[in-house]
Amino acid sequence: EPEVTQTPSHQVTQMGQEVILRCVPISNHLYFYWYRQILGQKVEFLVSFYNNEISEKSEIFDDQFSVERPDGSNFTLKIRSTKLEDSAMYFCASRGDIMNTEAFFGQGTRLTVV
Amino acid sequence: GEDVEQSLFLSVREGDSSVINCTYTDSSSTYLYWYKQEPGAGLQLLTYIFSNMDMKQDQRLTVLLNKKDKHLSLRIADTQTGDSAIYFCAESIRGSQGNLIFGKGTKLSVKP
Repeated sequence: EPEVTQTPSHQVTQMGQEVILRCVPISNHLYFYWYRQILGQKVEFLVSFYNNEISEKSEIFDDQFSVERPDGSNFTLKIRSTKLEDSAMYFCASRGDIMNTEAFFGQGTRLTVV
Repeated sequence: GEDVEQSLFLSVREGDSSVINCTYTDSSSTYLYWYKQEPGAGLQLLTYIFSNMDMKQDQRLTVLLNKKDKHLSLRIADTQTGDSAIYFCAESIRGSQGNLIFGKGTKLSVKP
């Protein structure tokens, strides 16, 4: 069964460092998303990406964050100058098309900022 | 803004039915979803319902939607220990790019 894969599963970084979280969406999918879940909190939408550009972003997704699809398979989330409050589980998701009801989620990357 | 609320914990005995409830605020929801998250795992779609439906049944799962009250429930019949997980209610909003608004999740504990 096709799946969304995320690497690494756990990343520890020092405050102020840059991190790149990687995702490989399902190969024929067109819509890509990043969500985050701070421990004990809701899963929050960060950004959606379609046709090589951001289609929607939340107020959480400020200038510290960026997304990229550097090749035909990867979808990355970059966090510049990480803060302690960026510690969370980050989920990538993909969807076949806008009418497709199911968004497939990856296993998540747990980011710990120390 | 949009909001989705769920109770945080539910404990049931094996073999009983579980009912997990959710309320949402946005009346322009198109689809409403139930996701399951097992420890250390990602979010797995269990089932979904289109906003113009009242009920959907899928094996042991029954979803009820009361659009007037903006209330969604997930019933799991004959709950098993393997059903222990966190269950998230989520909605997609008309006009959005398919992004989902999630609740905080309900932790279901199934006692043998």
